[in-house]
Amino acid sequence: DAGITQSPRYKITETGRQVTLMCHQTWSHSYMFWYRQDLGHGLRLIYYSAAADITDKGEVPDGYVVSRSKTENFPLTLESATRSQTSVYFCASSGQVYYGYTFGSGTRLTVV
Amino acid sequence: QQPVQSPQAVILREGEDAVINCSSSKALYSVHWYRQKHGEAPVFLMILLKGGEQKGHDKISASFNEKKQQSSLYLTASQLSYSGTYFCGTEVGNQFYFGTGTSLTVIP
Repeated sequence: DAGITQSPRYKITETGRQVTLMCHQTWSHSYMFWYRQDLGHGLRLIYYSAAADITDKGEVPDGYVVSRSKTENFPLTLESATRSQTSVYFCASSGQVYYGYTFGSGTRLTVV
Repeated sequence: QQPVQSPQAVILREGEDAVINCSSSKALYSVHWYRQKHGEAPVFLMILLKGGEQKGHDKISASFNEKKQQSSLYLTASQLSYSGTYFCGTEVGNQFYFGTGTSLTVIP
């Protein structure tokens, strides 16, 4: 199906474990983004990518790693999960920097 | 860097109008507006690229005052489906920041 998909939708993991959130888009959009959404903080940018093999830090990158070997995929890895990383994570994509973003359905991550 | 929205929350009756404001301490180059319903992803409404630009989408419109570093979203004759949290998003340098959000509830 065309669009932007995130997996898993829900994830519970233990403190210290590595976890990877997947994001896949079918439009060949150049720009992809990872945001986390927390009550009281709104949407905060973790990492973004302007093209395959080009990534850059956002506002809150500590504890996260991204890669983009293919245009359509932009996985987000929490190297050693902490409780403060409990959040809803949204992936988004955009064809041009001045276009609106299309968001995936989100991944609700709980770190226990 | 995060733009500030006002009000934080508003409750309307169907048919009433509302204005949501978005202000930035930094120069604005573009402004996006999104709506997010509870438990769902944000949905793009519109983008304003130039100061003075105004846009409309059904009964939702927006303006962008580049000099004042502000944008406003206007919802006229509100419908129940307008309920949700509205976010502005602004480009600052080479990064993009979302506003603090405005919760809008439309009641019958």
